[in-house]
Amino acid sequence: KAGVTQTPRYLIKTRGQQVTLSCSPISGHRSVSWYQQTPGQGLQFLFEYFSETQRNKGNFPGRFSGRQFSNSRSEMNVSTLELGDSALYLCASSPGVGGDAYEQYFGPGTRLTVT
Amino acid sequence: SQQGEEDPQALSIQEGENATMNCSYKTSINNLQWYRQNSGRGLVHLILIRSNEREKHSGRLRVTLDTSKKSSSLLITASRAADTASYFCVGGSNYKLTFGKGTLLTVNP
Repeated sequence: KAGVTQTPRYLIKTRGQQVTLSCSPISGHRSVSWYQQTPGQGLQFLFEYFSETQRNKGNFPGRFSGRQFSNSRSEMNVSTLELGDSALYLCASSPGVGGDAYEQYFGPGTRLTVT
Repeated sequence: SQQGEEDPQALSIQEGENATMNCSYKTSINNLQWYRQNSGRGLVHLILIRSNEREKHSGRLRVTLDTSKKSSSLLITASRAADTASYFCVGGSNYKLTFGKGTLLTVNP
């Protein structure tokens, strides 16, 4: 099975702009989660989608949003970018149901730099 | 999920040696997972152990879980340079994984 793919891998944006990141989960996985990783805060949970619905949400401002499509692919959007949004954004997929429902498989991440 | 507290924060060993890292958590859990992150292969799921299991093996990995002590350990046998990474434990049945600072394992060739 192909792993989780994320595009783009690297992105440079300017303060105030918006950005959309994409994630394709492992085939058959219905849950997609997003995380932000920074040297200062470590790995922080953004949100999780299951069957096109946001099921869990972290403590991030409303500038961070996401969605999931019927094929389980997911996008994450950050509007009005701030310098502090510079981070590695990781997407993870999991079956979402069944015995191994909670095992998450991560993509390589998108490195976002805001200047 | 529940954030685990990994111990030690850093561990340095020679190739071929065994590495043991520990995890403690605060409240009851249904399962506990271990993840590894290095620059080469990103963040990888290693193993999940359920609360009714005491020990689980996967290749060179051995995980134990002691629910009475709210602790878990990860043993890597015959370590390799490629095992150099940060290791995280995460407890609970939830998609909202909460990662701690992890244990930074360095395996010297």
